[in-house]
Amino acid sequence: ELKVEQNPLFLSMQEGKNYTIYCNYSTTSDRLYWYRQDPGKSLESLFVLLSNGAVKQEGRLMASLDTKARLSTLHITAAVHDLSATYFCAVDSGGSNYKLTFGKGTLLTVNP
Amino acid sequence: NAGVTQTPKFRVLKTGQSMTLLCAQDMNHEYMYWYRQDPGMGLRLIHYSVGEGTTAKGEVPDGYNVSRLKKQNFLLGLESAAPSQTSVYFCASSYEGHGGTKNIQYFGAGTRLSVL
Repeated sequence: ELKVEQNPLFLSMQEGKNYTIYCNYSTTSDRLYWYRQDPGKSLESLFVLLSNGAVKQEGRLMASLDTKARLSTLHITAAVHDLSATYFCAVDSGGSNYKLTFGKGTLLTVNP
Repeated sequence: NAGVTQTPKFRVLKTGQSMTLLCAQDMNHEYMYWYRQDPGMGLRLIHYSVGEGTTAKGEVPDGYNVSRLKKQNFLLGLESAAPSQTSVYFCASSYEGHGGTKNIQYFGAGTRLSVL
């Protein structure tokens, strides 16, 4: 059974600081997704990582994937208040049904 | 382009009542999914479908049934609601895609269900 663990689950940052969210998973997979959820809203796709060593960046967010370590990171550079949200990683369990297993999410609060 | 539409957005049920949640997508996606989101639990897959007329159980299927009679619609039913089914329910759809779009799941706005 695929297990996905995120840490930290709660992260309070000051504006301008850097930090990293970690996503570990338990079985082999080469498809990993990052989503953002604003309070009371739906989930929005941020990044799709499809191979070992993949790196994607948008704005102050950068995601990477190490399939050998079964680890993905979401790095936040010079945080701003607008980045406050819950971030989920999700791992494709493989096969043709494209099921995703989600981590519990990281609630990020960026304080002015 | 509406994407994934869920109805209703809010619902309050009494224990033992039944209801159906509707998910409709206009993107011609093959795959559709129902999740529930509870505080501190992330999203957990209830049921999913890989095509019209097919359904399969996910991680937490007990107490729910689903049907996909048309490709664009995926229905989630609660036959006899229980307080443990109080949650936010999300529907999602996806297609196999290629490269950077491969299996991105697109989510509806959610249904907030309270069972008293």
